[in-house]
Amino acid sequence: QKEVEQNSGPLSVPEGAIASLNCTYSDRVSQSFFWYRQYSGKSPELIMSIYSNGDKEDGRFTAQLNKASQYVSLLIRDSQPSDSATYLCAPQIYNQGGKLIFGQGTELSVKP
Amino acid sequence: DGGITQSPKYLFRKEGQNVTLSCEQNLNHDAMYWYRQDPGQGLRLIYYSQIVNDFQKGDIAEGYSVSREKKESFPLTVTSAQKNPTAFYLCASKEAGFQPQHFGDGTRLSIL
Repeated sequence: QKEVEQNSGPLSVPEGAIASLNCTYSDRVSQSFFWYRQYSGKSPELIMSIYSNGDKEDGRFTAQLNKASQYVSLLIRDSQPSDSATYLCAPQIYNQGGKLIFGQGTELSVKP
Repeated sequence: DGGITQSPKYLFRKEGQNVTLSCEQNLNHDAMYWYRQDPGQGLRLIYYSQIVNDFQKGDIAEGYSVSREKKESFPLTVTSAQKNPTAFYLCASKEAGFQPQHFGDGTRLSIL
């Protein structure tokens, strides 16, 4: 079983819709979770951090964490073509130097 | 302005040659990391360092070496023992604690 699994893509949504990206993780990992956005050919860019159960909102982005279910998600409201990218879920491993375990990523395509 | 600088942007390696990728940060971050990304894949950890003069192997350290003589610098050497070095190499750094990692722009390494 993989430590981090993300919903397989590509995920295609129309402009203005809500995009929902999901991630499950094994119980070995930490309680800190990060979402990165990676445009094709570029390096990952941090877009959200979440540390406790519940929702965290930042602009059009909402991260949701449920530690009991070992599940973290990212919602993108009012999706724009510029949101088209690969989204990487990255839990942080506790007491191992801040290591991140990356999922394989979910490719999102927002159609005008 | 502050950031993480990776150089060169593109690098070509000949058979039997060692090559060194540079990573410099002026963010005063304690920890630094090297990842490898293959096409369509997530990031895999090569080496990481939490303090000067100390570093640990990641998941795929074979064929690579690092040094951490200064807080701001964490160079990665891809040795001739790494038989499949073609990949996108990413350097990251972070502050102490449960802080996210931030990435440089990456170096693309190819075989001549």
